This record gives sequence, C-alpha cells and structure tokens, in this order.
Amino acid sequence: EPEVTQTPSHQVTQMGQEVILRCVPISNHLYFYWYRQILGQKVEFLVSFYNNEISEKSEIFDDQFSVERPDGSNFTLKIRSTKLEDSAMYFCASRDRAIHNEQFFGPGTRLTVL
Amino acid sequence: DQQVKQNSPSLSVQEGRISILNCDYTNSMFDYFLWYKKYPAEGPTFLISISSIKDKNEDGRFTVFLNKSAKHLSLHIVPSQPGDSAVYFCAASAGSYNTDKLIFGTGTRLQVFP
Repeated sequence: EPEVTQTPSHQVTQMGQEVILRCVPISNHLYFYWYRQILGQKVEFLVSFYNNEISEKSEIFDDQFSVERPDGSNFTLKIRSTKLEDSAMYFCASRDRAIHNEQFFGPGTRLTVL
Repeated sequence: DQQVKQNSPSLSVQEGRISILNCDYTNSMFDYFLWYKKYPAEGPTFLISISSIKDKNEDGRFTVFLNKSAKHLSLHIVPSQPGDSAVYFCAASAGSYNTDKLIFGTGTRLQVFP
C-alpha cells in the first residue's frame, strides 16, 4: 500500500541552525501539507502546497519557514533559524485530487532544538 | 482557538464492548469531518470520514455519526479490540470555502482492556 515517508525520523539541532525536513508524498497525489505537534498539544496545520505554490499557510508559518518541491517526488520544509519553540513532531501529508479525500500522513520527524 | 474539541482526554473500555468517542465543533463552515488514529511515534492514520450532507457513515466496526444542529460527531467502535488502543483525533475541514486544511481536536486516548 502506498505511503508517505519522511526523513530523518529524528533531527537534533542547535538553536539558530537551519534544518530541512524531507517528505516523499504518495506518488499520484497532488496536494501536500505540513503539520506539527508540540508535545502534549494538538496537531496544527502549517502550510498547504499545490501546483508548485503555497495555497494556504497558518500564522505559525512565518518568514523562517519555507517549503519546496525540488523534484517530482520530494517535498521539503526548511526552517532557516531554529528556535527552542520549534521543537515538535513535524508531519507531512498528501492527498489526491478530490477535495473531500482524506489526507495521508507520514510517520513524522521529531525535531529537537537545543 | 478551539474550533474542534474533544472533551474526554481518555476512555477505558472492555474488549468486546462499544467505544464511543465524542467531538464537538464550533465553526459552521466545516463541511467534512474525519477521524484519525495515532500510535506513539507514528503519524495519524485515517479511519473514517463523513460529509456534512450525511448523518452517518459506517465502515466495518467503525461508525461515525454527525449531528449538525448540535455541532457534534461521535465515533463508535463495535466491538472494541485491544489493538484499538491508541489516541483518536477528530478533525474537520471547510472544503467548500476553498480551504482544505484540517483542524484537529486534542485527542482522546482509548484503552481497550481484556
């Protein structure tokens, strides 16, 4: 069964460093998302991406964040200068064309900022 | 901003019995609702969904009920099995309003004991 994959599973970084989280969405999907879950809190939407551009972003997704689909398979989330409060699980998700189809989530990347 | 609420942080049910997980929402624009199941260190896994034009959707042991007037939905699991033990998230979206981001509740931890 096709699935969303994410690498790395765990990333430890120093405050102020740049990190890139990688995702490979399901191959025939067209819509891509990043969510995050801070420990003990709910899953929060960060950004959606369609047709090589951001379609929607949350207030969390400030200028320190960017997303890119550098080739036909990868979807990346970059945090330019990490802060302690960026420590969280980051989930990538994708869905296919129909608006009401479910989003399929990857296993997540645990980001720890020291 | 708690547009989706799951007021029960935990639920304990005996194997073979019914599990009922509840979810309330406040945003009248939500038109699609989903339930996800999450194990520790994994991403959310889609379980079942319902459109706002329906009041019930069933898939095997899982049934979701939607009461639009009360802005309430519930997930019934019958019969409950130990493998159902996980955190269950309710999520909602407002696809008819050109947004497909999912708004999640805080989750309910279900424990099914023998």
